[in-house]
Amino acid sequence: QSVLTQPPSVSAAPGQKVTISCSGSSSNIGNNYVCWYQQLPGTAPKLLIYENNKRPSGIPDRFSGSKSGASATLGITGVQTGDEADYYCGTWDSSLSAVVFGGGTKLTVL
Amino acid sequence: EVQLVESGGGLVQPGGSLRLSCVASGFTFSNYWMHWVRQAPGKGLVWVSRINSDGGYTNYADSVKGRFTISRDNAKNTLYLQMNSLRAEDTAVYYCVRSPAPGYSGYDYSFDYWGQGTLVTVSS
Repeated sequence: QSVLTQPPSVSAAPGQKVTISCSGSSSNIGNNYVCWYQQLPGTAPKLLIYENNKRPSGIPDRFSGSKSGASATLGITGVQTGDEADYYCGTWDSSLSAVVFGGGTKLTVL
Repeated sequence: EVQLVESGGGLVQPGGSLRLSCVASGFTFSNYWMHWVRQAPGKGLVWVSRINSDGGYTNYADSVKGRFTISRDNAKNTLYLQMNSLRAEDTAVYYCVRSPAPGYSGYDYSFDYWGQGTLVTVSS
C-alpha cells in the first residue's frame, strides 16, 4: 500500500492527451514539492518533472506537471507510442521522515 | 556525462549480508546527496536510504532501519549500502540515485540521475 495514490493504469490513443493523478495528504504533497518519473520497460526510471512543474533539459514540453493542495497531476499531450511506460510520483513525507512514491501508473497507447 | 554504476548484487540466503557499491563519474560526487531506491520484481519504486554530501547525515526507510547502512567515500567517488539480516522481502533491483544540486527546491528528496540497478535475491 503506497502512501501516494495513483491509478494503476491509463490509456490513450496516439495524439490524444492523458492525465495521471497522484493523491496524498498534508504531510507529503500538501507541503512538499512533487517529482514525476518515467520508467520505460526494462530500464531505470528517468526524471520527468521536478519542483511540481519544471522540466529538466531534454524533456519535451508535451509533459507537464501541476499541484493543487494535496494532489498532483502529470499531463501528457500528443501521446506517442514511445510514451508507453510506468509513471511514478514522488515527494517527501514529513510524518514518516521518508521519501515516498505512488504505486505507479502504466500508460498504454492504444 | 553523469554515470552511476552499481555492483555487488547477487543471491544470498535469508539472514545473510551483502554490500552494494556504486561508482559515480561525470560530476563532483562530493557535492551531491545520494540515495538507494529499490524495486521488487514487477512492483513499484521504494526509497531505501539517503546520505548527505559529506556523509554526516543519513536517513532510512522504516523497513530497513537497523539492518542497512548507507555510507560514502568521496575520495573514491563511491556510494555503499551494507545490507545485513536480509529477508526474502528485500529481493529487488537496487538503484543508486543522485539528488539534484543544492539550490533546487526539494533537492534532497528528488532524483535526477539513476544507475542501471543491481539485482539482490534473498532465497534459500
